[in-house]
Amino acid sequence: SAVISQKPSRDICQRGTSLTIQCQVDSQVTMMFWYRQQPGQSLTLIATANQGSEATYESGFVIDKFPISRPNLTFSTLTVSNMSPEDSSIYLCSAGVGPGSGQYFGPGTRLTVT
Amino acid sequence: AQSVTQLDSQVPVFEEAPVELRCNYSSSVSVYLFWYVQYPNQGLQLLLKYLSGSTLVESINGFEAEFNKSQTSFHLRKPSVHISDTAEYFCAVSDRRTGRRALTFGSGTRLQVQP
Repeated sequence: SAVISQKPSRDICQRGTSLTIQCQVDSQVTMMFWYRQQPGQSLTLIATANQGSEATYESGFVIDKFPISRPNLTFSTLTVSNMSPEDSSIYLCSAGVGPGSGQYFGPGTRLTVT
Repeated sequence: AQSVTQLDSQVPVFEEAPVELRCNYSSSVSVYLFWYVQYPNQGLQLLLKYLSGSTLVESINGFEAEFNKSQTSFHLRKPSVHISDTAEYFCAVSDRRTGRRALTFGSGTRLQVQP
């Protein structure tokens, strides 16, 4: 298993600003992912954070809006850039520890954009 | 592309009654299957998973799910629910063949256990 922490746990931001969310895993993991959960909805994958290379983004998500870093096997960041109220959501980091192991999720970052 | 369907957005049930939360997936390839639970104001927790072998998998808190390949289903069941089971339940799949480990989630089912 893996224990995942995220910072900040919540934030209220103004339109047009950017927020960087940090994700820390207590052990080395091969795969890290970022998801978005909009109010009352399911989770949507934003991107796969690749160690040592550019993240792999899903359809509808672009690097300029959601730049991701993964400098090592235990840490990743997601930046939400030039925020608008539509970006208000919970952002979750997850880690995969092996084939078919499922994923372990962080507690999420609740973002409100005013 | 894979998709996951959870037909019931909400399931109200009385305490100690049985419950079934339905999940169907659409995929022509082998998949890994998962159920996650999200308690109010908490993160997602892995409830149980099907990788291979026995088609019936169980969790430590009395839930079980059965993989049915012919019906592409992975329904979640519990013979007697407790108030503390009130939560949102998400079914998810990942592609076994390609090794892509990203999860595709269903829309979720809110289980509301009433006294």
